[in-house]
Amino acid sequence: IAGITQAPTSQILAAGRRMTLRCTQDMRHNAMYWYRQDLGLGLRLIHYSNTAGTTGKGEVPDGYSVSRANTDDFPLTLASAVPSQTSVYFCASSAAEYNEQFFGPGTRLTVL
Amino acid sequence: GQNIDQPTEMTATEGAIVQINCTYQTSGFNGLFWYQQHAGEAPTFLSYNVLDGLEEKGRFSSFLSRSKGYSYLLLKELQMKDSASYLCAVREGDYKLSFGAGTTVTVRA
Repeated sequence: IAGITQAPTSQILAAGRRMTLRCTQDMRHNAMYWYRQDLGLGLRLIHYSNTAGTTGKGEVPDGYSVSRANTDDFPLTLASAVPSQTSVYFCASSAAEYNEQFFGPGTRLTVL
Repeated sequence: GQNIDQPTEMTATEGAIVQINCTYQTSGFNGLFWYQQHAGEAPTFLSYNVLDGLEEKGRFSSFLSRSKGYSYLLLKELQMKDSASYLCAVREGDYKLSFGAGTTVTVRA
């Protein structure tokens, strides 16, 4: 079934540890995005990629990095996790940056 | 930057109609989206408006007034499965989406 997958589903992480959240889509979408969702704040854009090989910073990029080596994969890395990065992380993709976005199932991350 | 406001919560009865308002301030408007998000799940696309007026899609309709910085999502013939959060998202000229905090709709029998 075509769509977006994220891994892991949930994770508890010690502060200071490095963590990579994985995102893969099989819809051949050019654009991909990472959001975090916190209660009362809505979805906030962390990083995005309009096409393979390019990335850009969103609203809240500090403490996060991304890469886009190919069309399908868009991993998000926390180099040294802090408790304020406790959140639900959603990956999304769209055919192009001007199309509607489709969201993955999310990763619930807790940093202690 | 964006400033997007929508009510936090709304409650309605099964079979009724509910209207969720969204107001926004933006420097470069390029479309407005509505998404539905059930608890613990991913947001799913509902509607898109870029021109003024009403877009109807089954029981759901979305309206936009660009001059007023205003949109609403109208849910008709409410069903229990419509209990969810509804997210208003505004797109700027660079195609990035900014989301409101969401409106949680509870449908009661």
